[in-house]
Amino acid sequence: DTEVTQTPKHLVMGMTNKKSLKCEQHMGHRAMYWYKQKAKKPPELMFVYSYEKLSINESVPSRFSPECPNSSLLNLHLHALQPEDSALYLCASSQDAGTSGSGQYFGPGTRLTVT
Amino acid sequence: SQQGEEDPQALSIQEGENATMNCSYKTSINNLQWYRQNSGRGLVHLILIRSNEREKHSGRLRVTLDTSKKSSSLLITASRAADTASYFCATDAGNAGKSTFGDGTTLTVKP
Repeated sequence: DTEVTQTPKHLVMGMTNKKSLKCEQHMGHRAMYWYKQKAKKPPELMFVYSYEKLSINESVPSRFSPECPNSSLLNLHLHALQPEDSALYLCASSQDAGTSGSGQYFGPGTRLTVT
Repeated sequence: SQQGEEDPQALSIQEGENATMNCSYKTSINNLQWYRQNSGRGLVHLILIRSNEREKHSGRLRVTLDTSKKSSSLLITASRAADTASYFCATDAGNAGKSTFGDGTTLTVKP
């Protein structure tokens, strides 16, 4: 199974809502990532988890809260978002987050709209 | 600023022609990866080339890496309409999993 799955595919939420994005992989990868991508722009790294521990937080606002319950699952909890947070949120995984460099497997993304 | 910059920003060719995209970066890297993204979907990993490699092939794809010039190129031979997508390079400088993406090249292959 070389697939990264993400749910939901689409999400519309108000600025006062609390929602969560979910990501799952069963490739035995030990590194997982959240990216944010605006239209016609490259993905921007938000968080990296390595062996279920948060290793990189790219100065992301606290209204985004990541969680890695186990090595296969990655969540992104959303609270009090702003309209400018509307974007495609991509999850990815790789064998590890070290220097071996194995390339990343991406999920299809969640299209988030904040109203 | 982004580690990788790509050119051209957009490329339009006829089916059967070759497409070449270039990526330049600023700092030393451990490896460089190329990804494809179809409109509004996730990225697909195409090729990873390590800093001690100069060329790599995968099917119709050929990637070169020149670390002295800090640049890489992706060649797609005998292009097909299905190759229409955005192509991104991403550099890994060994910073605990942080790959930095270039701005991407949008390729349109006309049937």
